[in-house]
Amino acid sequence: QSALTQPASVSGSPGQSITISCTGSSSSDADTYKYVSWYQHHPGKAPKLMIYDVTIRPSGVPNRFSGSKSGSTASLTISGLQAEDEADYYCISCSSSISTSSPVLFGGGTKLTVL
Amino acid sequence: EVQLVQSGAEVKKPGESLKISCKGSGYSFSNYWIVWVRQMPGRGLEWMGVIYLADSDTIYSPSFQGQVTISADKSISTAYLQWSSLKASDTAMYYCARGSSGYRWFDPWGQGTLVTVSS
Repeated sequence: QSALTQPASVSGSPGQSITISCTGSSSSDADTYKYVSWYQHHPGKAPKLMIYDVTIRPSGVPNRFSGSKSGSTASLTISGLQAEDEADYYCISCSSSISTSSPVLFGGGTKLTVL
Repeated sequence: EVQLVQSGAEVKKPGESLKISCKGSGYSFSNYWIVWVRQMPGRGLEWMGVIYLADSDTIYSPSFQGQVTISADKSISTAYLQWSSLKASDTAMYYCARGSSGYRWFDPWGQGTLVTVSS
């Protein structure tokens, strides 16, 4: 199965909002790979879960972070950008089908720069 | 506190074997999946495979099938990633993470193990 497609980079100024997209390769992927999660990764640190099951924010994650999905494209939106949000962001999708040979797909990652 | 602690950095020569570990604590280890993830220098995260600790059921990414072996010892709450013959291209940071609701999402993550393969 193909990987998920993310923009290589996005940027925004403090206080602004940005959206990072995560697109599957075909419409069939949207039905099969319906569990989407998002991770923040600061270089040299462990990745951190920010959103799971498309829209759910774990305890402790600021409500500035939100997730959504339309068709085969999932999105992570960060509102009220802060300097500490500068990091790499990855989407990961899990298949609801046990028969697929690749039940987990990773996005290529998006580097967020806070200007 | 739920946490995964990985073994320390390794420096190896091409052709050598290696086994790195990921030890869980603070939860019932056997009831969860563990994922292994590679990050090569300057590159993104790549899924290598997942293992279910209760019965060691393992699913490999097609990209890593036959290249590595994922295993676990539930008696000591530890998952492993091993190579029989390292290559320079195996130089990377390797992370483990706990899967939840199967492997619908991954949390927490280990701190990472840096593997350097150089002659």
